Amino acid sequence: EAQVTQNPRYLITVTGKKLTVTCSQNMNHEYMSWYRQDPGLGLRQIYYSMNVEVTDKGDVPEGYKVSRKEKRNFPLILESPSPNQTSLYFCASRRSGPRTDTQYFGPGTRLTVL
Amino acid sequence: GESVGLHLPTLSVQEGDNSIINCAYSNSASDYFIWYKQESGKGPQFIIDIRSNMDKRQGQRVTVLLNKTVKHLSLQIAATQPGDSAVYFCAELHFNKFYFGSGTKLNVKP
Repeated sequence: EAQVTQNPRYLITVTGKKLTVTCSQNMNHEYMSWYRQDPGLGLRQIYYSMNVEVTDKGDVPEGYKVSRKEKRNFPLILESPSPNQTSLYFCASRRSGPRTDTQYFGPGTRLTVL
Repeated sequence: GESVGLHLPTLSVQEGDNSIINCAYSNSASDYFIWYKQESGKGPQFIIDIRSNMDKRQGQRVTVLLNKTVKHLSLQIAATQPGDSAVYFCAELHFNKFYFGSGTKLNVKP
């Protein structure tokens, strides 16, 4: 089954404790992306990756890091989480190239930073 | 940054009626637009998309209209059903970045 998986689905942590949210897709998609979703603000793009070893900032990259060492994985790293990073996070993937295609989203990770 | 907004935060319709959800986008160079449906506790789910070289595209019970002159996008749902109750987002693709609207909640009354 074609899918995007995220782990963990729920996480409660404390300020300053480094954490990683994993994202994996099995569709051989080149493009992967991370979003955060906050009430009234919709989804905002944090980082995206056009392919392995190619990453770029989205609209709200501050406080986040990503890496793309393999095509299927795109982890989101919070080196020093703060309460304003409490949010619902989604990973997504899509094909790149001349034929544009929609993104497929993971189930989401709800993060609470105390 | 980009601005993709929605005219109505909440829309209530009677079951069986048609629904129209609107969206305004700000960047005339955006070349790809998508509508997503998000149910409670789930990730956004693709409904329909349209490229900038088209004005209209139809799917099963859904139609997307694109008016590039006024930078307006709409989603029409025919014969709305209770299962259509969700939050609907429009999104635009501009230079490899996606920009989403804040969403419209669709309530379907039985």
